Amino acid sequence: DQQVKQNSPSLSVQEGRISILNCDYTNSMFDYFLWYKKYPAEGPTFLISISSIKDKNEDGRFTVFLNKSAKHLSLHIVPSQPGDSAVYFCAASDYYQGGSEKLVFGKGTKLTVNP
Amino acid sequence: GAGVSQTPSNKVTEKGKYVELRCDPISGHTALYWYRQSLGQGPEFLIYFQGTGAADDSGLPNDRFFAVRPEGSVSTLKIQRTERGDSAVYLCASSLSVESDTQYFGPGTRLTVL
Repeated sequence: DQQVKQNSPSLSVQEGRISILNCDYTNSMFDYFLWYKKYPAEGPTFLISISSIKDKNEDGRFTVFLNKSAKHLSLHIVPSQPGDSAVYFCAASDYYQGGSEKLVFGKGTKLTVNP
Repeated sequence: GAGVSQTPSNKVTEKGKYVELRCDPISGHTALYWYRQSLGQGPEFLIYFQGTGAADDSGLPNDRFFAVRPEGSVSTLKIQRTERGDSAVYLCASSLSVESDTQYFGPGTRLTVL
């Protein structure tokens, strides 16, 4: 039973346009969410996070939106660059509600940004 | 500064053998995590250390898997009687403290069991 779902295995976007990666979760105890980026043969690299007390967090070209009622979050990359081509993982934890520090990951979405 | 390092980067072994995978966390990080990533999947939690003790080992699949962190820094994941289904990339991550929210990952060890 997958608690974090990334339903799009892949996404292709033109350079300069917006990339939108989506993530859904089922566990209402999750209160902290992260996005990681992964290049081949490397470990996941932290990108951006958001706690459940917020609905938006922005860092440069990256913005994460959280819709708690829909149990949905999304990562927006504007403008997209060829170097953004990677696999993006959504992850969640229930740490702030006294849960565990362990992260629960989705299966990932492979983003390709075409020049 | 140096990130999380893992050795070896690749390990090929035969079914039934014993393997050890090593993780060196970022200096000063007290929390250390092990995850396993199978093909086409996201990382799955195995075990978490705070200092020398395992704070949560609920993700270890069975008693063939064991991990230690005797001095609160380097950690070793040990797998006994390996099976073909153990083949995966084993990822280690560390974070500054229990209260820290960001886990930093190493490059992983790709384990192949023939």
